[in-house]
Amino acid sequence: VQLVESGGGLVQPGRSLRLSCTTSGINFRDYGMCWVRQAPGKGLEWISFIRRKDFAETTESAASVKGRFTISRDDSRGIAYLQMNSLKTDDTAMYYCSTCSGSFDSWGQGTLVTVSS
Amino acid sequence: DIQMTQSPSTLSASVGDRVTITCRASQSISSWLAWYQQRPGKAPKLLIYKASTLESGVPSRFSGSGSGTEFTLTISSLQPDDFATYYCQQYHSFSYTFGQGTKLEIK
Repeated sequence: VQLVESGGGLVQPGRSLRLSCTTSGINFRDYGMCWVRQAPGKGLEWISFIRRKDFAETTESAASVKGRFTISRDDSRGIAYLQMNSLKTDDTAMYYCSTCSGSFDSWGQGTLVTVSS
Repeated sequence: DIQMTQSPSTLSASVGDRVTITCRASQSISSWLAWYQQRPGKAPKLLIYKASTLESGVPSRFSGSGSGTEFTLTISSLQPDDFATYYCQQYHSFSYTFGQGTKLEIK
C-alpha cells in the first residue's frame, strides 16, 4: 500500500491550491479517504472525509475548513483530491492523506502547504 | 465536537519500562477509538483501532483497553523505537478528533 501526496507549496493568503493523493497497492474504490493536517509543532487535525461510491461519495468536513476546502476522488485513477480555496495563514501545515475506515489506516508521507505573503 | 484529552502530555521512561497513556473523551464514544504513533518528521502510524484491536504488524507489547469515556494505551516493555509521540482519536462521530498527544521521552 502506497499513498503519495503532491501539490503543496508556498501560496499567498486568499489564493487556492489543489492537493493530490495518488494511491497504489489497494483497490481504491473500496476505501473511504481522509485528509489530516498538522501545523508546525502542533497536533493532528482531521479535516475532510469522502465515502466510497456505493455511499454516494458523500463528504464530511471540519468546521475550520467547511465552505473553503472540497474533497473529491477519481476511482478510475486511484486519486483523492483536496481543493483548498481562500487559504489563510492558519492553514499552514503538513497535509496527509489516509485510507479511512473511521480510523486512519494507511498514510502518505505528507505534503507541506505554507500560506504566507 | 467530542473533546479528547490525553495524559500525561510528556512521559519520561527507560528502555524496558512499562508505560501507560490515558485518553478521556468528553462524552461516551463506545469503543470507537484509535491510537497512533508518530516519530519526528514522519507520518503517523496506526497502532490500535476499536480501542483494543492491534493493527496488523504492530508488536504485541502494545495494547489498548477501555470503553465509554476512558481509554489506555500500554507499552509493556519499552524499546528504543518506541520513543515517539502518541495520539488517540475518536471516530464515534464527526468531526473526528484527536487528543493533544503524549510525547514519550528517554529518561
